[in-house]
Amino acid sequence: DAKTTQPNSMESNEEEPVHLPCNHSTISGTDYIHWYRQLPSQGPEYVIHGLTSNVNNRMASLAIAEDRKSSTLILHRATLRDAAVYYCILRPPRNTGNQFYFGTGTSLTVIP
Amino acid sequence: KAGVTQTPRYLIKTRGQQVTLSCSPISGHRSVSWYQQTPGQGLQFLFEYFSETQRNKGNFPGRFSGRQFSNSRSEMNVSTLELGDSALYLCASSGLGQETQYFGPGTRLLVL
Repeated sequence: DAKTTQPNSMESNEEEPVHLPCNHSTISGTDYIHWYRQLPSQGPEYVIHGLTSNVNNRMASLAIAEDRKSSTLILHRATLRDAAVYYCILRPPRNTGNQFYFGTGTSLTVIP
Repeated sequence: KAGVTQTPRYLIKTRGQQVTLSCSPISGHRSVSWYQQTPGQGLQFLFEYFSETQRNKGNFPGRFSGRQFSNSRSEMNVSTLELGDSALYLCASSGLGQETQYFGPGTRLLVL
C-alpha cells in the first residue's frame, strides 16, 4: 500500500539546508501529502502536509510539483536534533479514515 | 494537553501467549489507529477505531484484534503470539476534522 519512494539515507552538514525528495507517481487527486519524522526511540511526529500548493510552517517547507507526482521537504537550517527518519506519506481523504501507509523513509544524518 | 499514552512501555511474552496493549488518546480525540513497526517491514497499519467502531483494517491475521471504549481509549490484543510479533506497537490519535495524527511512544513487545 505504500505508494511513495524515498532515498534510504541522506547526509547534511549542520546549519545547512536539506532537501528531502519523495516520488509519488500514483497519487490520486484527493490524496494529501504528509511528512512525519521519527527520532530514535520515539513515535513518529508530524512535520508538515499539503495538497497542491507549497506550504510553510515553523519546522519546514513543503514544495509540491505541479503534477503532484513528487514533493520535497525542505529543512532550512539542519540541526543535530533533526537527525531522524523522515517519512513521506500519501493520505486519503479524511472521511475515509486515518490509515497511513508508511514507506521506508529517509534516514537523515546531520554532521556537526 | 497530555499526549498519547501507551501502556505498558515494555513487555516480554513467550510464544503461544496472548497480550493486550492499551492506548489513551489525546483528550477529545475519537480516532485511534494502531501500527506495528519492525526492522524488516517498517511501519505497518494495523487498524483504526473511530467512535468505538473499527473503521479500517490493515493486512494482518485475525490474531490481531482491537477495540475502543466509550471514552476513546483503545486496546489491541494479539493472541497465540509468534516470534515474528516482536515489534514496537504504536498508537496514534486524531481529532475530528484534523489532518494530523499524534503518536504515542509505543509499546515494545518481545516474544521469546
